[in-house]
Amino acid sequence: GAVVSQHPSRVICKSGTSVKIECRSLDFQATTMFWYRQFPKKSLMLMATSNEGSKATYEQGVEKDKFLINHASLTLSTLTVTSAHPEDSSFYICSARRLAGAPAESTDTQYFGPGTRLTVL
Amino acid sequence: GENVEQHPSTLSVQEGDSAVIKCTYSDSASNYFPWYKQELGKGPQLIIDIRSNVGEKKDQRIAVTLNKTAKHFSLHITETQPEDSAVYFCAASVDQFYFGTGTSLTVIP
Repeated sequence: GAVVSQHPSRVICKSGTSVKIECRSLDFQATTMFWYRQFPKKSLMLMATSNEGSKATYEQGVEKDKFLINHASLTLSTLTVTSAHPEDSSFYICSARRLAGAPAESTDTQYFGPGTRLTVL
Repeated sequence: GENVEQHPSTLSVQEGDSAVIKCTYSDSASNYFPWYKQELGKGPQLIIDIRSNVGEKKDQRIAVTLNKTAKHFSLHITETQPEDSAVYFCAASVDQFYFGTGTSLTVIP
């Protein structure tokens, strides 16, 4: 259990276009999903926290109008990189945390997706 | 806010030897400490976690110890195998995760 998928795994786009990345919890309901960005050989940088049905909370320095997050259901969150530029090229990873009250499993743990490699030309 | 430091940044061990990675944290309110293994081009995978009401936890070759007073926790891998080679991240959490900077572990056959 606790599988998180991301789609696409890789995407190459032209500068100025928008890219949507999907994050799904496959076998559990996620009260909260997180979006991270990771540069080569670096740690994970939290971009935003999204709760189902409410607006995402963005970390300082992350442009909310550039990185649009939608958490429409308990199993799906999307990150849209709008008007992408080469500096947005990165590895984007989502994670999901179980619905509070889920039996026999931790609600503290974040389960990570496999990541999406974005390259903006 | 929380600050998590992780050492060493790189670690090479001979197959069969033990590996130890250490993390310190600053916020005494942190109460959950997971460890993740990340292979190249993949997302982090949870390998073990510990809560602040426990001092030690073990799962086969992997163990984690927590010293709340000193605010540090460590990952111990015994009988290392080449497939243990990866980057390992610690994290400290009250709500959101604060990650360490990662340790690149290489197990030499």
